[in-house]
Amino acid sequence: GAVVSQHPSRVICKSGTSVKIECRSLDFQATTMFWYRQFPKQSLMLMATSNEGSKATYEQGVEKDKFLINHASLTLSTLTVTSAHPEDSSFYICSASDDPSQFFGPGTRLTVL
Amino acid sequence: KQEVTQIPAALSVPEGENLVLNCSFTDSAIYNLQWFRQDPGKGLTSLLLIQSSQREQTSGRLNASLDKSSGRSTLYIAASQPGDSATYLCAAPHGSGNTGKLIFGQGTTLQVKP
Repeated sequence: GAVVSQHPSRVICKSGTSVKIECRSLDFQATTMFWYRQFPKQSLMLMATSNEGSKATYEQGVEKDKFLINHASLTLSTLTVTSAHPEDSSFYICSASDDPSQFFGPGTRLTVL
Repeated sequence: KQEVTQIPAALSVPEGENLVLNCSFTDSAIYNLQWFRQDPGKGLTSLLLIQSSQREQTSGRLNASLDKSSGRSTLYIAASQPGDSATYLCAAPHGSGNTGKLIFGQGTTLQVKP
């Protein structure tokens, strides 16, 4: 199956700093990628749709100025958590579509102190 | 708006037992339904995808069914093994078509005891 990677796998940062998470499709091109967030013992919640060459589409309740998404190429999308706070601590997972299936990255564990 | 529900939230069985995980969805105009496995602290591994025109899909010891009229899907695991212990998630596309935006159930955490 298709492979999606994420970097870093784990990050710890101080409150107020910004953190960038990369999502790459390694063996296929993805015009659209998706970013999800998963709190402990909860399911995945879609945050936004990342569109190559255009603005991301955010789900209701997700602050676009806090979660900056850039999809600069067909194989890379980045999520930047700006001015992170402890409540942003979560597991962030990206996915990319290789029709008809969705392939997910291994996730990034963000801990904000 | 599509909603996906999974019951039970947790399940513990002895090794070798056959088991069924349940997934319900509210919008029967479903494009497809996908089952995933998630190990603790890890990403998702796609197990099976059932298109709306299909009734079931099989992969090894796994069999997934789809009944659109009743809004249900089941994942059948035969001869369970300790290595099957994980959280199993079902997901359906949000809206019509294969938008790629998935709505997930809450997951069923399975423990298979040796």
